[in-house]
Amino acid sequence: DAGVIQSPRHEVTEMGQEVTLRCKPISGHDYLFWYRQTMMRGLELLIYFNNNVPIDDSGMPEDRFSAKMPNASFSTLKIQPSEPRDSAVYFCASSKHELYQETQYFGPGTRLLVL
Amino acid sequence: AQKITQTQPGMFVQEKEAVTLDCTYDTSDQSYGLFWYKQPSSGEMIFLIYQGSYDEQNATEGRYSLNFQKARKSANLVISASQLGDSAMYFCAMRWASGTYKYIFGTGTRLKVLA
Repeated sequence: DAGVIQSPRHEVTEMGQEVTLRCKPISGHDYLFWYRQTMMRGLELLIYFNNNVPIDDSGMPEDRFSAKMPNASFSTLKIQPSEPRDSAVYFCASSKHELYQETQYFGPGTRLLVL
Repeated sequence: AQKITQTQPGMFVQEKEAVTLDCTYDTSDQSYGLFWYKQPSSGEMIFLIYQGSYDEQNATEGRYSLNFQKARKSANLVISASQLGDSAMYFCAMRWASGTYKYIFGTGTRLKVLA
């Protein structure tokens, strides 16, 4: 079975540009999560979806960040405009809701560098 | 407020020996889940093991076991017969339900296995 797929794996962009990160969750999973990992702040949950509906976006840092999930097999995280402090590794993860257990499986991450 | 604490920033262990990575948590919820993830230098997040708050037995997955002490609110990861490939960052995480599902990760422990 394919795992969580993220693209691109690496992104280098200039300050002010729009950045779009993409994620395909594991088939059959009904939860999708976006995380950001930095040395300073560790692993932070940005937003998560249940059945394509955003449930909690309290971790989204500011209005420059937006996320969508138009269908069960695709999600995007967009940063517009990007800033150097957005440089981080962005992970997408998915899980299937099961009684008493709900393990998240992570994608390989997108390494974003904003110059 | 919920909290995950990993007090060991770095650990060394001799190959073939066992090692315990500490994790304590704080939550007032009765229903929660505890997870351990491994992050090798390549960057991916690999799920290792899960323990539910209602599970009476400690979880085990191959060489990994979770020493769950509910009264002490600790969920230590035990790796038996360490291998060089176990060198990585290890993250403890917790999920709880408080209206919506929430996830938090600890700051991680970097494990180095010595030959």
